[in-house]
Formats: sequence, C-alpha cells, structure tokens
Amino acid sequence: KNEVEQSPQNLTAQEGEFITINCSYSVGISALHWLQQHPGGGIVSLFMLSSGKKKHGRLIATINIQEKHSSLHITASHPRDSAVYICAAPPLYSGGGADGLTFGKGTHLIIQP
Amino acid sequence: ETGVTQSPTHLIKTRGQQVTLRCSSQSGHNTVSWYQQALGQGPQFIFQYYREEENGRGNFPPRFSGLQFPNYSSELNVNALELDDSALYLCASSLAGLLNEQFFGPGTRLTVL
Repeated sequence: KNEVEQSPQNLTAQEGEFITINCSYSVGISALHWLQQHPGGGIVSLFMLSSGKKKHGRLIATINIQEKHSSLHITASHPRDSAVYICAAPPLYSGGGADGLTFGKGTHLIIQP
Repeated sequence: ETGVTQSPTHLIKTRGQQVTLRCSSQSGHNTVSWYQQALGQGPQFIFQYYREEENGRGNFPPRFSGLQFPNYSSELNVNALELDDSALYLCASSLAGLLNEQFFGPGTRLTVL
C-alpha cells in the first residue's frame, strides 16, 4: 500500500507570500492528483500530473516520478486560497481501479490579509 | 461546480439503522468512487464502480455496499450503522478510472448517534 505524506500539516502565511506544499509517496506511481478542499467538504481537482510541471493561474504543480515527490506552489497568495490541499496517488498498475486513490492527510493553509 | 451532486447534504441516524446515500455523476462518466472522510483525516477509499460493476474495494466491511445505474447515478448503502460511521461521504466520478481527472461531489455529512 502506498504511503502518501504531506508537509507541512499546517501553514499560516501573509497575503502575497509564495507558498510551497510538499507530497511524497512510498510506491512508484504513474500520476498524482492535487486537490483542494474548502470548509464544508467540497473537493475540487486542481491538477493531475505524471511528469514535469503544470500551471494554472497562480498555482504550479511539479512532480519528480523517480524521486517520488511532488510540490504544489501558490504565487502571490490570497486569503481566498485558504483551504486544505491534498495530494492523492492512484495505484501503480494499469487501470488504477482496485485500491482507489490514496490520500495524504492534507495541508491546512491559512492566508492572512 | 463539478456537475456531480450528492444527496442528502446532511443526515442523522442512530446506531443499527441503515442508510442510503446517492450520487449523480457527470453525464458520460462511467467510473464512480466512494470515499469516507472522518473529521480531520484524508478520505479513505470505500469502493469503485465501473460500468455498473464493482471493480475495486478498500478495507471496509460488507455492510458497506453500492450500486451504479445506467443513468450515471450511484448509491452507497450502509447497514447496521455504528458510531464510527459518522463521517463525510464523498463520491467522485471520472471518464475512466483514476488516471483521469476526478470530479468530486459536495459530500453527505452522516452523523450516527
């Protein structure tokens, strides 16, 4: 079973700061999901990436499959970015069905004005 | 808005009762996964359905069961409710499997008294 670890668990920063959230996993995978969860529960998919880097607005995700590590960066952070950020790994074998996504425990981010 | 809906939003039951939670996936999404998220924890995989067949199951007892229907809706049934079943239940749909973007519903908050 894949162990997915995130750091930090909690992060409080000032508006405008550059934010980095890290994710590491124990078993090789072919892709990784980054998700955002707001208070109240709803989860939104931010990225799914299998190599290199993806950018969407102020969010950037990178992954190094060989080193089993991914990072999520937020540039020019804003209070509306306050949420829980979760990385999740599908099983390694093709189809990715039987074991479902394995989630990290999440990083609780608070951006203060 | 992900296009995935869940009902009900909140539910209170007592120990020993049975509950049915519903999820309506995006049209065309033939894969739906169900997750249990306890307070302060990451989601845990319950099971996945692909084209109306269960094709993966997490470490949950048989009293957790499901169905997927041709109209892209699905159900999670829990029998003999226990206090520890209190959690947020999330469904996520995708075009095919876990190596595609996951679209999460807003969740059903179940409280077992």
